[in-house]
Amino acid sequence: SQELEQSPQSLIVQEGKNLTINCTSSKTLYGLYWYKQKYGEGLIFLMMLQKGGEEKSHEKITAKLDEKKQQSSLHITASQPSHAGIYLCGAEGGSQGNLIFGKGTKLSVKP
Amino acid sequence: NAGVTQTPKFRILKIGQSMTLQCAQDMNHNYMYWYRQDPGMGLKLIYYSVGAGITDKGEVPNGYNVSRSTTEDFPLRLELAAPSQTSVYFCASSYSSGPVGGYTFGSGTRLTVV
Repeated sequence: SQELEQSPQSLIVQEGKNLTINCTSSKTLYGLYWYKQKYGEGLIFLMMLQKGGEEKSHEKITAKLDEKKQQSSLHITASQPSHAGIYLCGAEGGSQGNLIFGKGTKLSVKP
Repeated sequence: NAGVTQTPKFRILKIGQSMTLQCAQDMNHNYMYWYRQDPGMGLKLIYYSVGAGITDKGEVPNGYNVSRSTTEDFPLRLELAAPSQTSVYFCASSYSSGPVGGYTFGSGTRLTVV
């Protein structure tokens, strides 16, 4: 079965710094989804990538899909306290056609 | 714009008790899912449904039951609560099986079994 590995597991950055979170798949990626989770809240959909080389941006968050490497990266520019939370990647790889998820990356941003 | 609504948000159960976690969506999505999230373990699929009257097991269905009598509602039933069921439960829905645009998640139910 397909597995998603995220790195790093946790990250503490100073406000204003850039950071990157990686998601590596054990199998070919046909679709990759990024979600953000805050404590006590559900998962908020950020972006979906479907094609190799695809890159999407929303505000200060950019996600890229490298299909050859079976990897996606999420880059945050000039981080803010509002970026703090857990970032999860998901992919269409479940045996029931469902999304599977990485274990998440916990991001803390120090003011 | 309610999306996916889960109730309750928090619950403490004693071992052996039963409860139902409620999930409702107002987006007319055919597909609905129940996941559990354990610390450091990501999300695991418990049950899913592709439409009213149709449900199927996910990766970790033991100890749970579901029903889907309407398109809107997808309750998750715990019959005999065990400490291993302490977790955060998320309900999600999507328009199709290939979740174009991603799943819409509820805000979760944090369950503790003591």
